[in-house]
Formats: sequence, C-alpha cells, structure tokens
Amino acid sequence: DQQVKQNSPSLSVQEGRISILNCDYTNSMFDYFLWYKKYPAEGPTFLISISSIKDKNEDGRFTVFLNKSAKHLSLHIVPSQPGDSAVYFCAASAATSGSRLTFGEGTQLTVNP
Amino acid sequence: SAVISQKPSRDICQRGTSLTIQCQVDSQVTMMFWYRQQPGQSLTLIATANQGSEATYESGFVIDKFPISRPNLTFSTLTVSNMSPEDSSIYLCSVGVAGGPDTQYFGPGTRLTVL
Repeated sequence: DQQVKQNSPSLSVQEGRISILNCDYTNSMFDYFLWYKKYPAEGPTFLISISSIKDKNEDGRFTVFLNKSAKHLSLHIVPSQPGDSAVYFCAASAATSGSRLTFGEGTQLTVNP
Repeated sequence: SAVISQKPSRDICQRGTSLTIQCQVDSQVTMMFWYRQQPGQSLTLIATANQGSEATYESGFVIDKFPISRPNLTFSTLTVSNMSPEDSSIYLCSVGVAGGPDTQYFGPGTRLTVL
C-alpha cells in the first residue's frame, strides 16, 4: 500500500520558469509533510516542510502548498535554476508514528538552460 | 542540522558475506534511522535505532538479516547479513530530534553491490 504517491516520475522545465511537483497521500493521520532533494551519489537534503495546521509555507524560491481535503501537496520552485535538477521526494509523518517518515517514489526534475 | 558521515561510501561484496555500515553524527541525537533505497525506487525505512535498547524493525525487515547497534547518542551500525544480489541498494542513516518537528537529516549513503 503506497501511502505517499508522486505520480510524475519526471518533469522538465526551462530555466527561469516555475517548477511544480505534486504529491498525494492516503493516510489521514499524516500531519507533517516534507520535501527532500537528492543528487546522485548523495543523501537526501531537507528542503522545506509544512505542518497540517497550515496550507502554505514559503522559503526563498521554494513554496509548499497543502490541501488537506484533497490529501495533496505541491512544491513550487520559482524561478527554476539548472542547479535545481535533482530527484525530489515528498515525505509524510504522523504524530502517532514515532517520527517515522513515509516517502513517495520521487520525481526527477530537469531544468534546462 | 547535524553533520552525518557514513562508512564505507560504497562496496562490492560477494553473496553470502556480511557488511557492516557505520553512521557517525557530530552531535548527540535522540533518534537514528536506517533506510534502504533499491535501484529506481523510493526510500524504505528498515528500522529505528534505539540507544540502549533493541532496534525497532519495520514490517518485512528482521534483526537476523539487518542487526543494528546503537552504543551511544552519536553512533550506529547496520549489518547486512548473508547478502544476496537483491540486497544491492543504497543504505542511508538519518537522524531526528525528539520533541521537535519530524524533520530528519540524512547521511551521504552507502552504495552496496552484491555479486
């Protein structure tokens, strides 16, 4: 049972444009959501997170939106840069789960110069 | 965030052998976790490494196959035992801070190839 799903395995955008990465979840107990970026041969790097009591969190070029009724979150990157090219994972946790994270399958973002 | 190192960074092993992966953190942390990322797949939690007690394993993972040690608040090891080619993966440790948001920070990973 895949509780966190990223339905787009890849996304390609032009430099300077907006990148939108999507993530859906099924477990209504999830109350904290995170996005990680992963370059080849490196561990995932934490990008941004959002609590279920919010619907938006912004940090520089990165904004995460949460729609609890739709069980959907998205990561917006504006403007996109070639250095943003990486695999992006969304993850979720529940207060009852002892900090355990459940990850989506990842989306490969390619930003073209 | 903590600085996390892992040894070895990569290894090629023969089937039937065992490999121990080390994870070192530059500060004391309450929570340490071990994940596996099989080729082309997502990260899957293997176990939570508990300091001073036995690790807590996720469904599908057992102590005999993946014994874990956590002797103190800055160090943990994961052993992959009696390896088969299906164990070829990236193994990652991560750390979290109790009492705060469930943000975890990851080490660089250990790329294991089993022949």
